[in-house]
Amino acid sequence: AQTVTQSQPEMSVQEAETVTLSCTYDTSENNYYLFWYKQPPSRQMILVIRQEAYKQQNATENRFSVNFQKAAKSFSLKISDSQLGDTAMYFCAFMKHPTTDSWGKLQFGAGTQVVVTP
Amino acid sequence: DTGVSQNPRHKITKRGQNVTFRCDPISEHNRLYWYRQTLGQGPEFLTYFQNEAQLEKSRLLSDRFSAERPKGSFSTLEIQRTEQGDSAMYLCASRPKFSTDTQYFGPGTRLTVL
Repeated sequence: AQTVTQSQPEMSVQEAETVTLSCTYDTSENNYYLFWYKQPPSRQMILVIRQEAYKQQNATENRFSVNFQKAAKSFSLKISDSQLGDTAMYFCAFMKHPTTDSWGKLQFGAGTQVVVTP
Repeated sequence: DTGVSQNPRHKITKRGQNVTFRCDPISEHNRLYWYRQTLGQGPEFLTYFQNEAQLEKSRLLSDRFSAERPKGSFSTLEIQRTEQGDSAMYLCASRPKFSTDTQYFGPGTRLTVL
């Protein structure tokens, strides 16, 4: 079974600064996907960024980038130039490649609360 | 594209009552997931539908829980004889037919069992 660990319950960052969230996972699979989802207070889960395990290049989406270390089973998220609207719970999630015995369900970590202060 | 919708957004019930939640996925998304999220935790998978077929159920889904997707469009999740431990946010997500990965989440239904 896969496990996803987020060891930082809360991170605080000032506007315009950079913050890095850590995520480690455990799997014996070789083909999988990793995601960071953002859940603002009382709002729905939004995809921030995704990474396919067979791609060595780290994914980037505007101010968000990941450091994917497959051998170390590590998948950290860097938020650059933090904005007040980045305040949210951030979840790291793992998904085996969808097959007939794994239908693409997500396995989430416990989350990291990011607070951006003025 | 109106996104995934869920109703009701909040439900307060007394222990022992039955409750039903509804999820309307994004149009033409044939794959639908239910997750449960308790306070301070990440969502946990409950069940998966491909079209109208329920193809996987988690062990978290006890006999008191039942989910349906009768016409392959909207889905319902029913909890019978609710218990205080059922208090949680119930999230629905959908995925397009030809996408291998990304799921789109609804706003959730927050259940409080008194």
